[in-house]
Amino acid sequence: NAGVTQTPKFRVLKTGQSMTLLCAQDMNHEYMYWYRQDPGMGLRLIHYSVGEGTTAKGEVPDGYNVSRLKKQNFLLGLESAAPSQTSVYFCASSYLGSGFTEAFFGQGTRLTVV
Amino acid sequence: AQTVTQSQPEMSVQEAETVTLSCTYDTSESDYYLFWYKQPPSRQMILVIRQEAYKQQNATENRFSVNFQKAAKSFSLKISDSQLGDAAMYFCACMEYGNKLVFGAGTILRVKS
Repeated sequence: NAGVTQTPKFRVLKTGQSMTLLCAQDMNHEYMYWYRQDPGMGLRLIHYSVGEGTTAKGEVPDGYNVSRLKKQNFLLGLESAAPSQTSVYFCASSYLGSGFTEAFFGQGTRLTVV
Repeated sequence: AQTVTQSQPEMSVQEAETVTLSCTYDTSESDYYLFWYKQPPSRQMILVIRQEAYKQQNATENRFSVNFQKAAKSFSLKISDSQLGDAAMYFCACMEYGNKLVFGAGTILRVKS
């Protein structure tokens, strides 16, 4: 059982380049999230999805796009990378049971934009 | 909109002592969940404890317990008998039912031997 898997784990981009981060979960979770983690700022929500085919903006969505074409995958795209997007990115998924929930996280992607 | 505030950027505790990490939150919903996650240097996010808002009883997991004050929108984490392995970043988080999961800025916990 792989849980939540993020691809890639590390990436260096040049300013203006584009890339896609892939998050895959094998737990049949409805909810998926993308966060960025910067020193002193905790985990800030970029975009999230409450089901296949749906996405919504979080706290810091500018410069990012997402898609959830399949329930198990949540893609985060950077169309034109900027140095301000240098960060560690986390994907998470969660479910809602009967009065019960928990979020599971990927291992993170360290992205450097030069 | 949900917000989560952790007012202590850093805390220190002596090994075997007790420490309390503070968290306040804001939500307009009556049905929500609260969490504490631990992030060691490995960057892995580990669930420490969770609390359903409709439950009045404070959650407990071994040496970890919470003080959930719903009216005050306060959700503090108490770590008893602190161990060196407890040193990490701790995040408080809130999820409204059927909605997004929002985190605080985190508290770095240092454990002194």
